[in-house]
Amino acid sequence: GNSVTQMEGPVTLSEEAFLTINCTYTATGYPSLFWYVQYPGEGLQLLLKATKADDKGSNKGFEATYRKETTSFHLEKGSVQVSDSAVYFCALLSGGYNKLIFGAGTRLAVHP
Amino acid sequence: KAGVTQTPRYLIKTRGQQVTLSCSPISGHRSVSWYQQTPGQGLQFLFEYFSETQRNKGNFPGRFSGRQFSNSRSEMNVSTLELGDSALYLCASSLEGDSNSGNTIYFGEGSWLTVV
Repeated sequence: GNSVTQMEGPVTLSEEAFLTINCTYTATGYPSLFWYVQYPGEGLQLLLKATKADDKGSNKGFEATYRKETTSFHLEKGSVQVSDSAVYFCALLSGGYNKLIFGAGTRLAVHP
Repeated sequence: KAGVTQTPRYLIKTRGQQVTLSCSPISGHRSVSWYQQTPGQGLQFLFEYFSETQRNKGNFPGRFSGRQFSNSRSEMNVSTLELGDSALYLCASSLEGDSNSGNTIYFGEGSWLTVV
């Protein structure tokens, strides 16, 4: 079945460091891919998305490229801030009817 | 434009009781889905409704049910609560269509349920 695998956290970085959170997926066809972010005590916020191969989603300095050949959608940011501390979820939109399949989530902690 | 609104935000229930959670989708969105988030199981899909019809259901027992009204608002109900039902319940909405149309799914802040 469809699934998403994320790198395990927590990831701890200093402010202004480069961030990569790995995400790979297993799916039939060409699913849409998403990154969501969850701040403490809050719901999920959409960070970015890509709907077809080679698409690059970007938002707030974060980027991810839909790589069909490696079935990956890695999240990157060139310079993280303390305010980026949160849990990040990679997800794919499974076949039919708006069902999201999530990875386990990666907790990011950024220190000054 | 208002986002997805969920009520109540926090609630505490006793084992054996039932609970009803409410969700108002973004205006114009007709698809509403529900997810359960727990530390052990992560985010899991419960069910999805479109035009008052359940179109998709996750692997949860029959104690978990839901419905959607003609104004697209949705409720989910959990009967005979168990300790393991303690979780954050998230509602999400999107425009009509299915996953092949590249829809974006937007989430609410969630309802925190504690079962004691």
